[in-house]
Amino acid sequence: QKEVEQNSGPLSVPEGAIASLNCTYSDRVSQSFFWYRQYSGKSPELIMSIYSNGDKEDGRFTAQLNKASQYVSLLIRDSQPSDSATYLCAVTFNNAGNMLTFGGGTRLMVKP
Amino acid sequence: GAVVSQHPSRVICKSGTSVKIECRSLDFQATTMFWYRQFPKKSLMLMATSNEGSKATYEQGVEKDKFLINHASLTLSTLTVTSAHPEDSSFYICSARGGGANVLTFGAGSRLTVL
Repeated sequence: QKEVEQNSGPLSVPEGAIASLNCTYSDRVSQSFFWYRQYSGKSPELIMSIYSNGDKEDGRFTAQLNKASQYVSLLIRDSQPSDSATYLCAVTFNNAGNMLTFGGGTRLMVKP
Repeated sequence: GAVVSQHPSRVICKSGTSVKIECRSLDFQATTMFWYRQFPKKSLMLMATSNEGSKATYEQGVEKDKFLINHASLTLSTLTVTSAHPEDSSFYICSARGGGANVLTFGAGSRLTVL
């Protein structure tokens, strides 16, 4: 049973548009939420972390967390071709020793 | 920021040989490091949690005798793939917590190809 779910995509958006990536997680006490970006053949790099309900903005990226509905999303404004990558959602669960659980990732393609 | 160095980045070996991958935390101490494996177009799969000074904790289905983990110091963990076979060919990535609470920093990964 997967505990962190993401649509595998690919999600295709035109350059300059807003890309919306979604992630849902299972019904366990959750603590911390992260979005990682992974380019093909490279290791993941952290984009955003969010710990409380609401929105968190960092440049073109906005993370949105709704614990009641058990979802976390990532919005990328003014999408660029260089944003094309796989985006991994990760969650730590309180009763799992703060172990990070990854979703399957969503592949984003930004077309010029 | 926290930096995790992983070496080698790419290795090709013959079937039956053993390969060691090193993971170092460069500017922080890591009592715990994590080893992941990733097959093409698949997500990260946690293999084991490496604990400094004690035995590693392996995830279900991961053979501890095949994937030997040693975490001898606060800045170094090693993964040895013993008697490698072609099906062990994968992208192996280590990580450690550094740079903030619960923030996981990844090494650059090691691509293993077993002929």
